[in-house]
Amino acid sequence: DTAVSQTPKYLVTQMGNDKSIKCEQNLGHDTMYWYKQDSKKFLKIMFSYNNKELIINETVPNRFSPKSPDKAHLNLHINSLELGDSAVYFCASSQVRDPYEQYFGPGTRLTVT
Amino acid sequence: AQSVTQLDSQVPVFEEAPVELRCNYSSSVSVYLFWYVQYPNQGLQLLLKYLSGSTLVKGINGFEAEFNKSQTSFHLRKPSVHISDTAEYFCAVSPSKRGYQKVTFGTGTKLQVIP
Repeated sequence: DTAVSQTPKYLVTQMGNDKSIKCEQNLGHDTMYWYKQDSKKFLKIMFSYNNKELIINETVPNRFSPKSPDKAHLNLHINSLELGDSAVYFCASSQVRDPYEQYFGPGTRLTVT
Repeated sequence: AQSVTQLDSQVPVFEEAPVELRCNYSSSVSVYLFWYVQYPNQGLQLLLKYLSGSTLVKGINGFEAEFNKSQTSFHLRKPSVHISDTAEYFCAVSPSKRGYQKVTFGTGTKLQVIP
């Protein structure tokens, strides 16, 4: 009965590779997010989707491409991985009428070597 | 634009002692304020939120926070901490406008409860 799930939990890969992280929520929420948390625990919004439409796109390199096949899923694809992409990536979801109560997934720790 | 400053990166406190985690914000518009908690190896969980009304907000696990507009602060308090409160705590702010608004997080305060 996990609310927001992410796969994989850990991802170790080499520079230049392409990888994807998947996120699914079973809360019936209509808004989903991707956050990046760096080594100093700083948490920054990357993208937000509402009903499969992109509503927030922060200044993220275009190597990062989110995809939302339906309201319950928001995947993150990263091309040409760089060392600086190493971080923990969190998926979250909420209702658009209450965007402040966000439910976070457990995170995906990405390590680029 | 909004910003959040959490003045302490780490706060050690003995079990059953009171604790205050400090948060100050900066904004040119009215804001909503939040505290989230992140337990080790987990995602963030909403602890409490201030949207309007009483400036003293009570949250889960016995935590409370007070919104002080004149001091632009939203400090988090608990009168008696438990070992299980050991976690990272994030203060966050968002413009108080209709529709989706970006939530900006502080850099976190690690609460270490000492037995």
